Amino acid sequence: AQKVTQAQTEISVVEKEDVTLDCVYETRDTTYYLFWYKQPPSGELVFLIRRNSFDEQNEISGRYSWNFQKSTSSFNFTITASQVVDSAVYFCALSLTGANSKLTFGKGITLSVRP
Amino acid sequence: DVKVTQSSRYLVKRTGEKVFLECVQDMDHENMFWYRQDPGLGLRLIYFSYDVKMKEKGDIPEGYSVSREKKERFSLILESASTNQTSMYLCASSLGLDGIVVYEQYFGPGTRLTVT
Repeated sequence: AQKVTQAQTEISVVEKEDVTLDCVYETRDTTYYLFWYKQPPSGELVFLIRRNSFDEQNEISGRYSWNFQKSTSSFNFTITASQVVDSAVYFCALSLTGANSKLTFGKGITLSVRP
Repeated sequence: DVKVTQSSRYLVKRTGEKVFLECVQDMDHENMFWYRQDPGLGLRLIYFSYDVKMKEKGDIPEGYSVSREKKERFSLILESASTNQTSMYLCASSLGLDGIVVYEQYFGPGTRLTVT
């Protein structure tokens, strides 16, 4: 069975600091997908990124960047120059492929960015 | 823009009542999902559906049932609500499988259900 571990439960930073959210996953399958979601205080989960297991290229989107390393089964998320609006719960998730694939979520990391 | 809507943001029901939570998506997605979210437990999958009239049990289906009569609508039913079903319920939808591609899920705003 697959598993996603987000060992950090809560992180607090001051605005403009860089912060990295860790995600470690476990699966025996060689083909899978990884995701990050953001859940702001309003409650609605917002999709951030999807990455398949064959694409280990790092990705950058504005202040957000993702580091995927199959060797360590990690898919870490870095926010550069954090802002108060980044305060949210962030979830990492894993999905296998095949019929009826479904997401396995980590327990989430609560990020607080103080002004 | 993908839009997933849920019938209520907040709901208060009594123990033993039958409860219907409705979810509608407007992007012609094949897959739809129901999760519950509880502090310290994260998101747990209750049921999902990959086609009209099709359903599959998730990780915690006990005490719940679902209905999908139309592609855009997926209902979660609590046959006899209990206090341990007090939770945030989230609906999601995604495109269906295309070869081996798994698509991202889009979530609704959630329904906070309190059972007293």
